[in-house]
Amino acid sequence: EAQVTQNPRYLITVTGKKLTVTCSQNMNHEYMSWYRQDPGLGLRQIYYSMNVEVTDKGDVPEGYKVSRKEKRNFPLILESPSPNQTSLYFCASSPLAGSSYEQYFGPGTRLTVT
Amino acid sequence: QQQVKQSPQSLIVQKGGIPIINCAYENTAFDYFPWYQQFPGKGPALLIAIRPDVSEKKEGRFTISFNKSAKQFSLHIMDSQPGDSATYFCAASTGNQFYFGTGTSLTVIP
Repeated sequence: EAQVTQNPRYLITVTGKKLTVTCSQNMNHEYMSWYRQDPGLGLRQIYYSMNVEVTDKGDVPEGYKVSRKEKRNFPLILESPSPNQTSLYFCASSPLAGSSYEQYFGPGTRLTVT
Repeated sequence: QQQVKQSPQSLIVQKGGIPIINCAYENTAFDYFPWYQQFPGKGPALLIAIRPDVSEKKEGRFTISFNKSAKQFSLHIMDSQPGDSATYFCAASTGNQFYFGTGTSLTVIP
């Protein structure tokens, strides 16, 4: 089944403890992206990647890191999480870079930072 | 600053009604305008999308109307059904960067 998977689905952590949220797609997509969803703010793009080893900042990159060493994986790294990073995170992928292609979203990761 | 402004925040209609969700933008570099539907506990899923050289696009019961001069676009849901109850997001893109509206929670009453 073609899909985007994220792990973990739920995570509660403490301020300052480094964490990684994994994202993997099995559709051989070139483009991948991370979003956070907050009530009243909609989805905001954190980082995106056009292909392996090519990443760029989205609208709200502060406090996050990403890497794209393999085409299928695009992990999101929070090196020192803070409570304002408590949010619902979505990973998405699309066949090619550029805006004409449908993005396929993962199921989401709900992160709570205390 | 919100790049895409969406209204209303919530909407309740009777079955068979035609809910309309509106979005506005300022950046004329946007060249792709998708709408996403999200059910509770799920990720958003693409519903329909339009490019600025087209004024209207229909897919089944869903229609996007696009007004380039006013920098506005809207989603119309014809013959709405209870199964359409979800949150709807408009978005705009310049290529690889996407900006989403704040979402509209739609409830269709049977």
